[in-house]
Amino acid sequence: GGIITQTPKFLIGQEGQKLTLKCQQNFNHDTMYWYRQDSGKGLRLIYYSITENDLQKGDLSEGYDASREKKSSFSLTVTSAQKNEMAVFLCASSIKGGSNERLFFGHGTKLSVL
Amino acid sequence: AQKVTQTQTSISVMEKTTVTMDCVYETQDSSYFLFWYKQTASGEIVFLIRQDSYKKENATVGHYSLNFQKPKSSIGLIITATQIEDSAVYFCAMREVDSNYQLIWGSGTKLIIKP
Repeated sequence: GGIITQTPKFLIGQEGQKLTLKCQQNFNHDTMYWYRQDSGKGLRLIYYSITENDLQKGDLSEGYDASREKKSSFSLTVTSAQKNEMAVFLCASSIKGGSNERLFFGHGTKLSVL
Repeated sequence: AQKVTQTQTSISVMEKTTVTMDCVYETQDSSYFLFWYKQTASGEIVFLIRQDSYKKENATVGHYSLNFQKPKSSIGLIITATQIEDSAVYFCAMREVDSNYQLIWGSGTKLIIKP
């Protein structure tokens, strides 16, 4: 088995601040994802990466940057935190296609902006 | 355009009964994958079950099974002999075979199991 570790678990920022969220996986999966989940809502894709140094924008990429310098890690930067923003950011990874394709999720980073 | 719709926002059933959660999808592709995920109260999201569009047999894993009706673009999740710990939010998702690994997600159905 493997695990996806997201740090930090909780992140409190100030309006306009640049904030970075980190994700590590030891599954040796090729593809990694960042999702945003607002309270009581579904998942919206921010960025994904199909291999090291690859970045693909999702529907919600505006206001975010991502980085995949190693296969095992995928970081997300909120470029300018918005006042009163509150959401959970979920990192996931998956095997590249095949009958075992499915997402494995981290436990999330909960963001609050003052 | 691709879309996944879960019209039931919340369902409440008694423990040990069977429940079905609905999901309909839109796609132009003839080949796609359909997934169900469960999000517990702690926020943890886990994969439950998957249906490949080319398979006619409904997938079954433990007390989860699928009702795949391809002509209706429908993939219902059936949970038999429900337990209190099945209380969660259930998400349906789709990926077209030719897409670049991007899943299209439904908005989720909250399932409440009453003792």
